[in-house]
Amino acid sequence: ETGVTQSPTHLIKTRGQQVTLRCSSQSGHNTVSWYQQALGQGPQFIFQYYREEENGRGNFPPRFSGLQFPNYSSELNVNALELDDSALYLCASSRRSGGLYNEQFFGPGTRLTVL
Amino acid sequence: QQPVQSPQAVILREGEDAVINCSSSKALYSVHWYRQKHGEAPVFLMILLKGGEQKGHEKISASFNEKKQQSSLYLTASQLSYSGTYFCGTEYGGATNKLIFGTGTLLAVQP
Repeated sequence: ETGVTQSPTHLIKTRGQQVTLRCSSQSGHNTVSWYQQALGQGPQFIFQYYREEENGRGNFPPRFSGLQFPNYSSELNVNALELDDSALYLCASSRRSGGLYNEQFFGPGTRLTVL
Repeated sequence: QQPVQSPQAVILREGEDAVINCSSSKALYSVHWYRQKHGEAPVFLMILLKGGEQKGHEKISASFNEKKQQSSLYLTASQLSYSGTYFCGTEYGGATNKLIFGTGTLLAVQP
């Protein structure tokens, strides 16, 4: 069983640029959630994708957008980068099957630095 | 509505026990517990649902008090590998997978 993978591992951008982060979900999982984790803080929910549609969004501006593909992999796009966007970006996959449990499994993250 | 964790930090000697608490001001559907080591991804430990269902690692135990909207994680006979930051993630209104994470508890286990 393949775990959650993310790419790239590290990224350095300058203010105003755009960035795309990628996530491959764990085998058998159909839901991907993205989180932003600033240094010393807990992860903050950005949005979730289920069946290729956005299924809930946290308190993040529209310049944070995403996609989910038919193979359930996902992208996070951030436009007009700001210094405060510097953080660890985590994706988590889970299997929404109508059951009780929906454990989320996290990828290793992408460390984004905005200069 | 971010859940509050206590204590913020705890230092233990190997073999000692610890309890980490997670409190919400809003009715919870579930609580998920994770451990994160420095520079690594959070690792799933346990999920607890209102109504008493739970699922997780055999060596981890936790409780969920629905009336108080609190969950506690019990770490017994701690090992060096238990060191890390522990986060609770809360779900509201159903199995939405949209977790709101707590403030974190830093646990350091010393030899």
